[in-house]
Formats: sequence, C-alpha cells, structure tokens
Amino acid sequence: GQQLNQSPQSMFIQEGEDVSMNCTSSSIFNTWLWYKQDPGEGPVLLIALYKAGELTSNGRLTAQFGITRKDSFLNISASIPSDVGIYFCAGGDSNSGYALNFGKGTSLLVTP
Amino acid sequence: GAGVSQSPSNKVTEKGKDVELRCDPISGHTALYWYRQSLGQGLEFLIYFQGNSAPDKSGLPSDRFSAERTGGSVSTLTIQRTQQEDSAVYLCASSTGGGLAEAFFGQGTRLTVV
Repeated sequence: GQQLNQSPQSMFIQEGEDVSMNCTSSSIFNTWLWYKQDPGEGPVLLIALYKAGELTSNGRLTAQFGITRKDSFLNISASIPSDVGIYFCAGGDSNSGYALNFGKGTSLLVTP
Repeated sequence: GAGVSQSPSNKVTEKGKDVELRCDPISGHTALYWYRQSLGQGLEFLIYFQGNSAPDKSGLPSDRFSAERTGGSVSTLTIQRTQQEDSAVYLCASSTGGGLAEAFFGQGTRLTVV
C-alpha cells in the first residue's frame, strides 16, 4: 500500500488552543478517514469523508476532503487534555482495491 | 461481543517459532482487515477478506505470513518461523463491506519476537 504524508509528526500545545493537521497523497482517493489512537488501543474512527470538497464536523473536530482528492485536513478546536493521542489519516480508492492507506500519524500532547 | 475482539493481547515468542493471532469481528460484518503497526509507524495493510470472495493478500510481506477466515467470521493470522522484524502490533478491523466503509478496529495483539 501507499504511505500517505501526514504532518506535523507531533504537536505540543496548551489546553484551549486550536490544532490543525493534514495528509497528502500522490494518488487520488475517493475516501478519507481520520482516526484517533490511544495507547494500547486500536484506532477509533473520528470522521469519514466521501466527496471532494466535503467539510464534516464532529463536535470540536472538523475535517475536509480536499478538492483535488489528494489531501485532507483535520482541525480540533479548543483542545482539552483528553485530546491527547495519535491521529491517523487514511485514504482509499475502491478502484484500486479496498485496502486503506495510512499516514504515520500525528502525536498530540496537550498541557493543562 | 459488541466490538472487534483480538487474542492474545500480548505474545512473546522465540525467533523461529510459529504464532497464531486470532480476530473475532463484529457480528454481521462481512469485511475483515489485518494491519500491522510497527513502533512509531502508521498502519501497514496486510490482508483483506470480503464475504466469500478470494482475499486480497497483496500486503503480506512474505510467504511466512498467511491468514484464513473460517465461516465468514473468525480470522487467524499465522506467522511461521518468526523473525525479530515481525515484532509489532497486529490490528484486526471489520466493516460492513460493500466497498470502502468505516472500519472498526480491535485492540490489537502486541507481538514480541526475542
């Protein structure tokens, strides 16, 4: 599978700050997913995007499917300590098989 | 159970031994994925099962790796003659299938080869 470029690799912020991370691919995808992984746990789905240009919110989280279909971003507003974890983007193309391609993750640390 | 269940949660094995990792998907989910997560890395696709179709094995790193899914439910990932580079967290996920859909992950099996 293809490795997506996810940035930043890590972020260290204060509680209350907004966070933005993004993912890019050299290939076109028709699905973008964003996951959060806590230590010792499997990734948990946060937001799923299925259409270019789509902007979707889930509470304090907002994600967008880039218009070029090669990128996506995730924003977290007013961060809180429980936002700590590793955030992964995943992209897929049903024309090339059903496997998801994952980024290496963004490690988020939030200080009170 | 309500979620994807994997066993064992941790496995330490000696180099050269075979190991079997088990995944119980969410009931009714027709699609099942195995991924590998090495330290500090993203998830690496291994194999995908969808219903009765032939599995997509394109992510298996070598012929020491194999997986099967019995009765369209439980899946077993087998690693033969384990090597130290096989040490990783092995994650299983299931989804409703029918193409790309949200996959729900299990907690993973942490494999350590010594």
